[in-house]
Amino acid sequence: SQQGEEDPQALSIQEGENATMNCSYKTSINNLQWYRQNSGRGLVHLILIRSNEREKHSGRLRVTLDTSKKSSSLLITASRAADTASYFCATDGNSNSGYALNFGKGTSLLVTP
Amino acid sequence: EAEVAQSPRYKITEKSQAVAFWCDPISGHATLYWYRQILGQGPELLVQFQDESVVDDSQLPKDRFSAERLKGVDSTLKIQPAELGDSAMYLCASTPTGQATYNEQFFGPGTRLTVL
Repeated sequence: SQQGEEDPQALSIQEGENATMNCSYKTSINNLQWYRQNSGRGLVHLILIRSNEREKHSGRLRVTLDTSKKSSSLLITASRAADTASYFCATDGNSNSGYALNFGKGTSLLVTP
Repeated sequence: EAEVAQSPRYKITEKSQAVAFWCDPISGHATLYWYRQILGQGPELLVQFQDESVVDDSQLPKDRFSAERLKGVDSTLKIQPAELGDSAMYLCASTPTGQATYNEQFFGPGTRLTVL
């Protein structure tokens, strides 16, 4: 079952603008990860934020985590056409499941030149 | 850079036929995952291996799906017989250790299955 829910489902912006996508989840987590998927390809890991962290940066990416609201956001600054992809948040499962990840349905980002 | 290999990349089959997918994880990665991703959805776990042992196959439709990782290295996922609803992308991923929550997963390019 999919625990994460991304919002919005689709986002269209122009190059240079910032893109913000949100993720909400239902149960407590140890960590939360964000992945990117180009059309028809596998997923690529972007960033991992631990449950005791509130914000993390990696290049043009900024991730926040609010465990009290069970939500996370991914900000891509100064977007480029190459950022066009689907973005998924993933939360860890429980020990019985071997800590496999639960992915949301994703946000489809379109960046136009 | 080491990558997860999957084959075939695309597979078209008729319903009731058998299909098989192959995955070769990054060398040294003990944990291997098979996911199914329906168009417009996120990946959903089918089965997780730790070395050659199944850790979690609770979401694997065992009446028609089977998975093995006999020597704890590469893995095969089989569907027999295939049904129309099995049309999806099948993704393989691996991590160095069992605790994916502390490690990123490395994904292969996937196998796109179309069942006619």
